[in-house]
Amino acid sequence: EVQLVQSGAEVRKPGESVKISCKTSGYSFNTYWIAWVRQMPGKGLEWMGLIYPDDSDTRYSPSFEGQVTISADKSINTAYLQWSGLKASDTAMYYCARHGTDWYLDFWGQGSLVTVSS
Amino acid sequence: DIVLTQSPLSLPVTPGEPASISCRSSQSLLHSNGNTYLDWYLQKPGQSPQLLIFLGSDRASGVPDRFSGSGSGTDFTLTISRVEAEDVGVYYCMQALQPPFTFGPGTKVDIK
Repeated sequence: EVQLVQSGAEVRKPGESVKISCKTSGYSFNTYWIAWVRQMPGKGLEWMGLIYPDDSDTRYSPSFEGQVTISADKSINTAYLQWSGLKASDTAMYYCARHGTDWYLDFWGQGSLVTVSS
Repeated sequence: DIVLTQSPLSLPVTPGEPASISCRSSQSLLHSNGNTYLDWYLQKPGQSPQLLIFLGSDRASGVPDRFSGSGSGTDFTLTISRVEAEDVGVYYCMQALQPPFTFGPGTKVDIK
């Protein structure tokens, strides 16, 4: 059974750092792209970028380039999303999701809520 | 970036009746390989999104056959043949033709 299990809620102050995780199981982690999707409070879905764990090839949406870092650790089948200088506007639910063979997002994590507040 | 628009943005439905949602793309989603890269997702209240339809009209595993996708090029439709109470939530289309992949604004479906 394919599963993507995300880390828990995080509360940070503006300017702080955070790294959230997406631990996968039930399939070959190395050979499927993993995406991150943002959902701000009460808003829609925004595709942030993706990573191919086998070689860490990473692509970002221009809206998120330079704002976040996507990474992966093949040894523990886990993808990450991190910020080095959080802003209040980063407050959102973040989902990881697996891209299937024709780029659809076929399996999703349960979401990680990041709250940035002074 | 490819822009997707959806209509309506809000759709009150009656159980047992049909419902449809439109998704329009700023450019054709037909790839040179013959595939059309338009997917549909449902986000039920308090849940993660789930895949309903991929490549325009293919139902994902486990999705009831009352859901169907149609369309080509820039105009697509998600149809629910007979709405059930469990179908409430927000429906999103997403283009997967070229990065950055983009979602439509969402259509909120609720029971009248």
